[in-house]
Amino acid sequence: GENVEQHPSTLSVQEGDSAVIKCTYSDSASNYFPWYKQELGKRPQLIIDIRSNVGEKKDQRIAVTLNKTAKHFSLHITETQPEDSAVYFCAARDDKIIFGKGTRLHILP
Amino acid sequence: GAGVSQSPSNKVTEKGKDVELRCDPISGHTALYWYRQRLGQGLEFLIYFQGNSAPDKSGLPSDRFSAERTGGSVSTLTIQRTQQEDSAVYLCASSFLGGRNTGELFFGEGSRLTVL
Repeated sequence: GENVEQHPSTLSVQEGDSAVIKCTYSDSASNYFPWYKQELGKRPQLIIDIRSNVGEKKDQRIAVTLNKTAKHFSLHITETQPEDSAVYFCAARDDKIIFGKGTRLHILP
Repeated sequence: GAGVSQSPSNKVTEKGKDVELRCDPISGHTALYWYRQRLGQGLEFLIYFQGNSAPDKSGLPSDRFSAERTGGSVSTLTIQRTQQEDSAVYLCASSFLGGRNTGELFFGEGSRLTVL
């Protein structure tokens, strides 16, 4: 079955700087790669996703890139703000959605 | 309501007791997932229902865990003879496979289980 690895487990960046979270997946049949944000005590919510026929997608300060050959994808957050502090999960789907273990992002004032 | 509803929101039980957790997905959503989230940990896949297909039970950690989905809607996750390591938040999520937002999961608030 699918296995998703996510790095780093914790990331601290200065407010205004960029943050990058990387994931790899094992199943070459996976075709959908969402990213979820989970704030403390809240449910995970989708922030952006990318499909296997696209290499990059942007939404304001957030972008995702996908390298199908290498089976890895990344989340980029630019101009980070305090409200970006949360746990971020990448995921991959062939027939079901499997999550990485998460990255705890701290935005330092 | 418009969202995924889970009950109970909190459950404290004694080791060895059975518990049932309920999930009411968004109307019309054909896919339903259960995940387990231990404190400070990731989203561990448990089981996946898709339409009328046989469920994918590959994530269930032991035969003490089972789940069913009646009429393609409400799902119940049952944990028999609970152990302390079962303590976690159990999250249910549903999605509508089709259209522009294919695959987006909508999560419930979760059921926090504490086994004493």
